[in-house]
Amino acid sequence: AQSVTQLDSQVPVFEEAPVELRCNYSSSVSVYLFWYVQYPNQGLQLLLKYLSGSTLVESINGFEAEFNKSQTSFHLRKPSVHISDTAEYFCAVNPPGAGSYQLTFGKGTKLSVIP
Amino acid sequence: SQTIHQWPATLVQPVGSPLSLECTVEGTSNPNLYWYRQAAGRGLQLLFYSVGIGQISSEVPQNLSASRPQDRQFILSSKKLLLSDSGFYLCAWEGAAGTEAFFGQGTRLTVV
Repeated sequence: AQSVTQLDSQVPVFEEAPVELRCNYSSSVSVYLFWYVQYPNQGLQLLLKYLSGSTLVESINGFEAEFNKSQTSFHLRKPSVHISDTAEYFCAVNPPGAGSYQLTFGKGTKLSVIP
Repeated sequence: SQTIHQWPATLVQPVGSPLSLECTVEGTSNPNLYWYRQAAGRGLQLLFYSVGIGQISSEVPQNLSASRPQDRQFILSSKKLLLSDSGFYLCAWEGAAGTEAFFGQGTRLTVV
């Protein structure tokens, strides 16, 4: 069994300030790790993912996340946020080679960027 | 390229009425298909998944059912809606072996 914990349900941050959204997971096997973003009344979009290799992964819009195996964490960071980053962010895990029916999501963190 | 369509976008239904939500995928064959429900503050709950035509697995006992009449079509149904069925329903299909899931735009269902 696996589980995902997103420690903060809501994170307000001022525009151009840095932000970190925290994600911890537990699993008895190795996992793939994902961050999805959801804008209001829309579906989820993949933001970035860790499958293997470099533990630091980046998205095209300036977010990055680092896989830390010893701390079982996959925190999402951005050095300077924009108003357009306001959305809900979901961390998820999935065992390698499994179908997404084993994809486990956290409860989400709502990021609010304040002008 | 692959696309996923889900409709309707919003739906208001009375208690006891039937439900049918449809999801179709284009640009891929034999996808794994999923229905999730999202309730405020509770994250995403997997309801059903399907690995092929006519093959449905239920993750949570409930008032809902799913069917897959065609390879790229996935339908979520209910004979009689309950107030507790209100929520945001998301259809998704799976990329290569669990490396990514692609979501539809969702249906906001309000049962009144």
